[in-house]
Amino acid sequence: AQTVTQSQPEMSVQEAETVTLSCTYDTSESDYYLFWYKQPPSRQMILVIRQEAYKQQNATENRFSVNFQKAAKSFSLKISDSQLGDAAMYFCAYPLFVGANSKLTFGKGITLSVRP
Amino acid sequence: DTEVTQTPKHLVMGMTNKKSLKCEQHMGHRAMYWYKQKAKKPPELMFVYSYEKLSINESVPSRFSPECPNSSLLNLHLHALQPEDSALYLCASSRKPAFDRASTYEQYFGPGTRLTVT
Repeated sequence: AQTVTQSQPEMSVQEAETVTLSCTYDTSESDYYLFWYKQPPSRQMILVIRQEAYKQQNATENRFSVNFQKAAKSFSLKISDSQLGDAAMYFCAYPLFVGANSKLTFGKGITLSVRP
Repeated sequence: DTEVTQTPKHLVMGMTNKKSLKCEQHMGHRAMYWYKQKAKKPPELMFVYSYEKLSINESVPSRFSPECPNSSLLNLHLHALQPEDSALYLCASSRKPAFDRASTYEQYFGPGTRLTVT
């Protein structure tokens, strides 16, 4: 069964520092996508970054980058130069295919706080 | 425009009430989703609509009734809810239903409706 694991429930980072959020997953597929979503308090969930498994290069979006280790089934999110607005709950997600549809399987999430 | 809107933002209803949640997107997306989210938990998928047809029902109780009147609009009709149904209800859409890895599209989420059942 495909599962997504985020083992750290909470993390804290000093403003302007770098933090890495961990995610591991289990799949028997060879080609797939992985996503990180961010959900600030009382605000809507937005996509932070996505990684295509067949691409060797790690995805990058401004201050956000991933460390994708396909063999280890690890998909970490690195946030550089952390800002107060980065405080949120972060979910790692994997699309599971069910027949002709897909549904996102989310990890339990990690709450990131940013210290000024 | 990458916006998914949801109304109302907050809803308080009694266990005997009937109410509806509304979700709208004008991005031309052809897959729409309803999720239920409890505090500090990940969203749980409830329903998926593909090209205005219900394609996934995650064994949701019949007191929740989804409806997709057109490609831009998604409703969730609520009736005889229980206090444990209190949660944030999220709507999402994606460009197309993804049927293989080459056509996976990211989902865009609305701000949600905070539902309290008394």
